[in-house]
Amino acid sequence: QLQLQESGPGLVKPSETLSLTCIVSSGSISSSSYYWGCIRQPPGKGLEWIGSVDYRGSTYYNPSLKSRVTMSVDTSKNQFSLNLNFVAAADTAVYYCATGMTLTQVDLWGQGTLVTVSS
Amino acid sequence: QSVLTQPPSVSGAPGQRVPISCTGSSSNIGAGYDVQWYQQLPGKAPKLLIYGNSNRPSGVPDRFSGSKSGTSASLAITGLQAEDEADYYCQSYDSSLSGYVVFGGGTKLTVL
Repeated sequence: QLQLQESGPGLVKPSETLSLTCIVSSGSISSSSYYWGCIRQPPGKGLEWIGSVDYRGSTYYNPSLKSRVTMSVDTSKNQFSLNLNFVAAADTAVYYCATGMTLTQVDLWGQGTLVTVSS
Repeated sequence: QSVLTQPPSVSGAPGQRVPISCTGSSSNIGAGYDVQWYQQLPGKAPKLLIYGNSNRPSGVPDRFSGSKSGTSASLAITGLQAEDEADYYCQSYDSSLSGYVVFGGGTKLTVL
């Protein structure tokens, strides 16, 4: 069964770049059946879609974050990644890796990783 | 505020039926885009509950049902159980600003 595991920094300084890696196991990231995405949840708040990437590397971003976000797929390592530039305290959140058969439908979530932005 | 509007909280006694609404607009739910629902238990990652407006993934009890009409969608939970106490989120797609995935603000369900 497909599994996702987040690998993140835990703590990032303001104005720096948050880099999150999502490791895919028990399945191929090259499958044309899936979209691979990142969703975040600030402490005590709701869910926010950051963006998604498909097996071809085509990307789809939240307009509110688009200027700071880059997502990519590494088929050789069977993983995908998120870079969020110029972070601020408002970017503190649990970041989830996610995947689904359509751009909107999330069939599987990773366990999530808390990333705190603080000096 | 969220593009999709949900009540912040709902409650019900065990065995009761509880509806949770999700109100959108002509650029998302009203445009025909599917609605998904997710359940988030305390301290856990969300889990897909309903997809394509009214379909249940394998393993989700038939106590959970979804519907959609016009610019709104609804999740109904019947035969409420203590283990249903969680946060519930609706999700869809919005065609404005070149298109993006949107979530509701979430609804906290309390089982009395």
